This record gives sequence, C-alpha cells and structure tokens, in this order.
Amino acid sequence: DTEVTQTPKHLVMGMTNKKSLKCEQHMGHRAMYWYKQKAKKPPELMFVYSYEKLSINESVPSRFSPECPNSSLLNLHLHALQPEDSALYLCASSQDHLGPYEQYFGPGTRLTVT
Amino acid sequence: AQSVSQHNHHVILSEAASLELGCNYSYGGTVNLFWYVQYPGQHLQLLLKYFSGDPLVKGIKGFEAEFIKSKFSFNLRKPSVQWSDTAEYFCAVNSMDTGRRALTFGSGTRLQVQP
Repeated sequence: DTEVTQTPKHLVMGMTNKKSLKCEQHMGHRAMYWYKQKAKKPPELMFVYSYEKLSINESVPSRFSPECPNSSLLNLHLHALQPEDSALYLCASSQDHLGPYEQYFGPGTRLTVT
Repeated sequence: AQSVSQHNHHVILSEAASLELGCNYSYGGTVNLFWYVQYPGQHLQLLLKYFSGDPLVKGIKGFEAEFIKSKFSFNLRKPSVQWSDTAEYFCAVNSMDTGRRALTFGSGTRLQVQP
C-alpha cells in the first residue's frame, strides 16, 4: 500500500472558523510533511515531522498548527485564516526525513477561506 | 539556498513528438533528484528519481532522465508522447549535505499534448 489519504477533499471555512485537515499513511514511514500549493505553482513546504517530532517549520504563521498524534497520522489545525490562505494543502510521507527517499503525496485538501 | 529552474513553462506537442523538459539546480553538493507529475485533478506522482549510480534513469510510462553533474541538470525525456501525458511536470531536488533535506520544487512545466 503506497497510499497517503487526506480528508476532507474540499473545505470551505470562514475567517473565524476553526477546522482541521487530516492525513494518514500506513507505509511505516517516519517522516511526514505538509505543503501548500497555489494554482499553477509548485508545492511549498510548510512543516516536516520526523519520528513524530516537528523537525522543520518554514516560518509558517501561527494560524496553522500542525500535530502528529502518532507515526501514521498528521493533522493541520486551522484558525483565523485569511482569504489568501485558500490553496491546495498536500500531505506527503517518506521512509525517513534524512535519507535518499522519495516522498509519496496525498490527493490534497482544497481549502477555500471566505 | 538551493533553487531549481524549469525554463519551459508551457510546452505544446503533437502526439508521437519527442519531449525534453529542462531542469537545472543550483546546489553544488550531493543531491537527490526527482521528477513528479500531476495529471489534471490528480495527486503528485513520482515519475523517476536519481540518488546515485547510472546517471541515466528510467521511470514509469516510458519516461527517462539524465543527470549531468557538470551542468547541474536533470532533464526529462520521452521519445514519443501520448495525449495522456498532458499534465504538469515538476522537477525537485534535495540536498544530502545539509541537515535540511526538504524537497525544493521547480516552478513546473505544463505539457499539453494535442491529438
């Protein structure tokens, strides 16, 4: 199974809402990632978790809060977002963060902030 | 900081034409190189990867890429494209020499194959 799943597929939220994005993988990977992808642009790294610990935070605003409850799950908690945060949010995983391993991507959650 | 350049932003080809998409990276140390494809409405999929060894790597769906270290390049090729190859193609690099092993993506090349 080389699948990374993400829920929900689509999310519309107001600027005062609190919502969460979820990501799951069952490949035994120990590194998980959140990316943000705007239309017609490449994915931009937001966070990296390695062995359930936050390893990289690319200076992401605090209205985005990641969480890794266990090695298979990754959440992204959203609060007080801005319309410019509307994008496709991608989750990925790899065997390890430090080795020469490819990343497997999920289908993404398309987020619209109104 | 490393960067990745894809100079072809939008390529239009007819079916059966040959394809070459350019990718250049800026980092001089040891790198891992990837090509990902994003079909319309689908998630990013790995086409091929280079870690070490033979600089000519073969991937899925008839794609191949050649790593030329002296040119800091990792160009993607396919001898004969099909309509189903219409997609966005991203080159990506991560450095093996730093603690930060995150992928850096190029800006992408949109390939449109006309029947």
